[in-house]
This record gives sequence, structure tokens and C-alpha cells, in this order.
Amino acid sequence: KAGVTQTPRYLIKTRGQQVTLSCSPISGHRSVSWYQQTPGQGLQFLFEYFSETQRNKGNFPGRFSGRQFSNSRSEMNVSTLELGDSALYLCASSLAGGTNQETQYFGPGTRLLVL
Amino acid sequence: GENVEQHPSTLSVQEGDSAVIKCTYSDSASNYFPWYKQELGKRPQLIIDIRSNVGEKKDQRIAVTLNKTAKHFSLHITETQPEDSAVYFCAARDSGTYKYIFGTGTRLKVLA
Repeated sequence: KAGVTQTPRYLIKTRGQQVTLSCSPISGHRSVSWYQQTPGQGLQFLFEYFSETQRNKGNFPGRFSGRQFSNSRSEMNVSTLELGDSALYLCASSLAGGTNQETQYFGPGTRLLVL
Repeated sequence: GENVEQHPSTLSVQEGDSAVIKCTYSDSASNYFPWYKQELGKRPQLIIDIRSNVGEKKDQRIAVTLNKTAKHFSLHITETQPEDSAVYFCAARDSGTYKYIFGTGTRLKVLA
């Protein structure tokens, strides 16, 4: 099976712009989670989508939003970009969530630079 | 709220020595504990995981132990090699919400 893919891999934006990142999960996986990774901050959970519904949400401002499509592909959007949004954005997919279906597999990430 | 503390933040060991990384979680509903290895410029890769009904799990040079009473779990790497150098993340998953909380990572350096 193909792994988790993310597009684009790199992005440069300026403050105030908005950006949309895309994540295609492993075939058959219905859960997609998004994380922000910055040096020294580890992996900060943004949100999780399961069957087109947001199932969990982290502590990020409303400028960060996401959605999931019927084919389980997910997008996240960041509006009114700030310098502090510069980070590696990782998505991870898993089968569903129950026992023995928890394992998350990460995509390669999208590196966003806000100037 | 849920929290996972990971220690140490950096760890240097001589090649061939053992390395131990420890994590403590706060949510007693957590029931799944994966460990990820992230090499520079690459995605996190799952290296081992453990569920709450198991106390220890081994896979060659890697082992994970879980103490549910104390709410902590540890990663043990024996006979370390230079290619073990990376950042290691622990995580805990809540059995009710399915939410993952990650530790802040440990940068392991194996000195040849």
C-alpha cells in the first residue's frame, strides 16, 4: 500500500495570506490527524477527522481549520498567516480508532515558511 | 488536561551502551503507547508500541515497559549504534476520545 502523502511539500507565504495543505491517508484509513512541529515544541496536535467529522481538536486558534472528504483525504487551512505559523505540518492516518486499529502512520510533512 | 512528559530532552551515549527514555502520562484512560523515531528531515516512524494490558514488549534491540499504576512507560535501546541517533517521541492515546498526546521528544546521539 502507498503511504501517507502530503502536498505541497514546501510553501512560502507572507503574513496575512492563507494556505491550504492536503493529506491523502493510507488506503482504507478513515482517521486523519494533523500536527504542527516546531523546533523545541515537539508535535502539537491540531485536530483529527474521522468519517468526515472532526472528532478531536487541539488548542489552536480558529485560524486553523480542516475538513475531510468522503474518500478520507483531508485538508487543513490556515488563514491570516502569522510569522509564528512557520512550521512543519504533519498529518497521520490510522484505520479507525478501536483496539488494534490505533497505529498512526505519518506523512512526510509540509514545511511552511511565513515571511 | 492530558499531558505527557518526556525525559531527558537530550541523551548522549557511547556506541554499544544502552539508552533509556522515560515518559509519564496524566490521563488514566490512556491505553495505547507508541514510540516514534524521527531522523533529520524525515517523517516520524513507529518503532514499537505497547497496549495497556501488557507490561513489556521487545523487538530485537528495542523494548518498551509500561507501569500503569505509576502512569509511566519507558523505551530501552540496547547495543546502540550510530544509526540510532535521532529524535524519539513517546505518545499516549486516550481510549475514549482516541486523542493522541505526544511528549516533547528526546534527541539521542550515539557517539562512535
